[in-house]
Amino acid sequence: DGGITQSPKYLFRKEGQNVTLSCEQNLNHDAMYWYRQDPGQGLRLIYYSQIVNDFQKGDIAEGYSVSREKKESFPLTVTSAQKNPTAFYLCATRGPYSNQPQHFGDGTRLSIL
Amino acid sequence: EDKVVQSPLSLVVHEGDTVTLNCSYEVTNFRSLLWYKQEKKAPTFLFMLTSSGIEKKSGRLSSILDKKELSSILNITATQTGDSAIYLCAVGRGAYKYIFGTGTRLKVLA
Repeated sequence: DGGITQSPKYLFRKEGQNVTLSCEQNLNHDAMYWYRQDPGQGLRLIYYSQIVNDFQKGDIAEGYSVSREKKESFPLTVTSAQKNPTAFYLCATRGPYSNQPQHFGDGTRLSIL
Repeated sequence: EDKVVQSPLSLVVHEGDTVTLNCSYEVTNFRSLLWYKQEKKAPTFLFMLTSSGIEKKSGRLSSILDKKELSSILNITATQTGDSAIYLCAVGRGAYKYIFGTGTRLKVLA
């Protein structure tokens, strides 16, 4: 989606290092999400945020952290506690109503060095 | 435990064939069922279904929800090589959460 920008497209992490994935949106959406996608698996929810300064853990939050200081931005930090971080990470946004679909950014592919 | 199951996991067809993809779910507090197409990067939205029995159509693609059977199908008629992708089914649970299936990988041969 043109209104959601994820960066970088590719990222390499050294052992013991924290890395931060960026997600910026200009859709004026309140809700933002982070998913992880592994080969042969569906998207799994890491964290989501319904509104600025609030966020909730998803199904696989361990080893990850987020912040939501601005409506437009929802960065994801992959900490050294995440032992298997190699995956494709997708950010999504949605408007305020549950009858609206999620829209996705182009993703960041994270690999271990 | 909530789950969304898609079948088949993968499918290879020839151009012009019709395909039917399946999605079944067991999700508490169901709100909606969504279909997405994922080629290389971002999943793109195809359909959102909330009411049983009402077909949604877009060109050669159509989809319908059966709340009694807790399932949905996505039909693609007269397939083209550009339809090759992973098709994802997601179920909205409550106001904000979504549960995704593993996807169906479709390959259309010329």
